[in-house]
Amino acid sequence: AQTVTQSQPEMSVQEAETVTLSCTYDTSESNYYLFWYKQPPSRQMILVIRQEAYKQQNATENRFSVNFQKAAKSFSLKISDSQLGDTAMYFCASGPTERGYGNKLVFGAGTILRVKS
Amino acid sequence: DVKVTQSSRYLVKRTGEKVFLECVQDMDHENMFWYRQDPGLGLRLIYFSYDVKMKEKGDIPEGYSVSREKKERFSLILESASTNQTSMYLCASSQAPWGAYGYTFGSGTRLTVV
Repeated sequence: AQTVTQSQPEMSVQEAETVTLSCTYDTSESNYYLFWYKQPPSRQMILVIRQEAYKQQNATENRFSVNFQKAAKSFSLKISDSQLGDTAMYFCASGPTERGYGNKLVFGAGTILRVKS
Repeated sequence: DVKVTQSSRYLVKRTGEKVFLECVQDMDHENMFWYRQDPGLGLRLIYFSYDVKMKEKGDIPEGYSVSREKKERFSLILESASTNQTSMYLCASSQAPWGAYGYTFGSGTRLTVV
């Protein structure tokens, strides 16, 4: 079974600084996707960034980037130049690439990030 | 943009009531999911569906059922609501193969059972 662990229940960062959210996962799949989702206080969950496991290059989306360490099964999210609008709950998720019967995403418990002015 | 619409943002129901949570997506996605979100527990899968009239149990199906009569609509049913079902409920959909795109979520329904 897949598991996703986010060890930081809450974090805070000053505006304009950089923060890293941790995520580790465990899977027996040979290929899989990893995702970071953001859930602002308004509650709509949105996709921040995704990484396909077979790609060695770390994904980047503007101020958001990941540090993907496949051997260590680690997938951390780095937010640069933090903004007040980054305040949200962040979820890490993992799932196999194959559309198999019963395949689905598994989510971590989430990390609350507060950006302070 | 893909939209996943949940019919209610807040619901208050009494213990023992039958409760329907509705979810509609407008992009012809094959896959639909119901999760509940509780503090410290993240998102836990209740039920999912890969096709019309098809349903599969997730990790915590007890006390819930679902219905998918049309591709765009996936309903979660609490047959007899209990206070331990007070939670945030999130609906999601994805196209196949889903892995490349992840899920699109609805805004959530905050259900309180009193």
